[in-house]
Amino acid sequence: GNSVTQMEGPVTLSEEAFLTINCTYTATGYPSLFWYVQYPGEGLQLLLKATKADDKGSNKGFEATYRKETTSFHLEKGSVQVSDSAVYFCALSPNSNSGYALNFGKGTSLLVTP
Amino acid sequence: DVKVTQSSRYLVKRTGEKVFLECVQDMDHENMFWYRQDPGLGLRLIYFSYDVKMKEKGDIPEGYSVSREKKERFSLILESASTNQTSMYLCASRGFMNTEAFFGQGTRLTVV
Repeated sequence: GNSVTQMEGPVTLSEEAFLTINCTYTATGYPSLFWYVQYPGEGLQLLLKATKADDKGSNKGFEATYRKETTSFHLEKGSVQVSDSAVYFCALSPNSNSGYALNFGKGTSLLVTP
Repeated sequence: DVKVTQSSRYLVKRTGEKVFLECVQDMDHENMFWYRQDPGLGLRLIYFSYDVKMKEKGDIPEGYSVSREKKERFSLILESASTNQTSMYLCASRGFMNTEAFFGQGTRLTVV
């Protein structure tokens, strides 16, 4: 079946540090891949996405590249801010006719300290 | 601004009560979903619907049912609430395959 594995948190970084959150997936075919962010007390919102191999999604200084050969979609940011403290979810959507539900990883909590 | 709206942010119910969680979207999306979110378990799919009156079980449907009488509204029903259904419930909607899902703000349900 389809599944997503994320690195476990919590991750604690100082402001301006480099961030990597690892995400690998298992899926048949060519899924679409997503990163969502959840700020405290809120629902999930899309951070970035990639729909085919070698695509790079980017938004708000975050980037992730769809790597088919390593089945990975790692999230990176060059310099984190306190306001980036949140929970980050990697997700995939199988490109098939078997329904359009997203499969999520368990989430990685990020805390950025001043 | 596109929106998915859940009827309550916080809800406290007693064991055995019938509970309705309502979700409305304004994007004319065919697909709607209910997830529950628990610490250490991430998001787990309860039910989804790909059209009016159509529904499919997700990974953890036991103890839940759903209703979709209109395209914009998707309801989650706890027939007889139990304490192990205390959780954060998230509704989402989505258009076609490669598009993103939009989430509501969540309903934190406590069953006492």
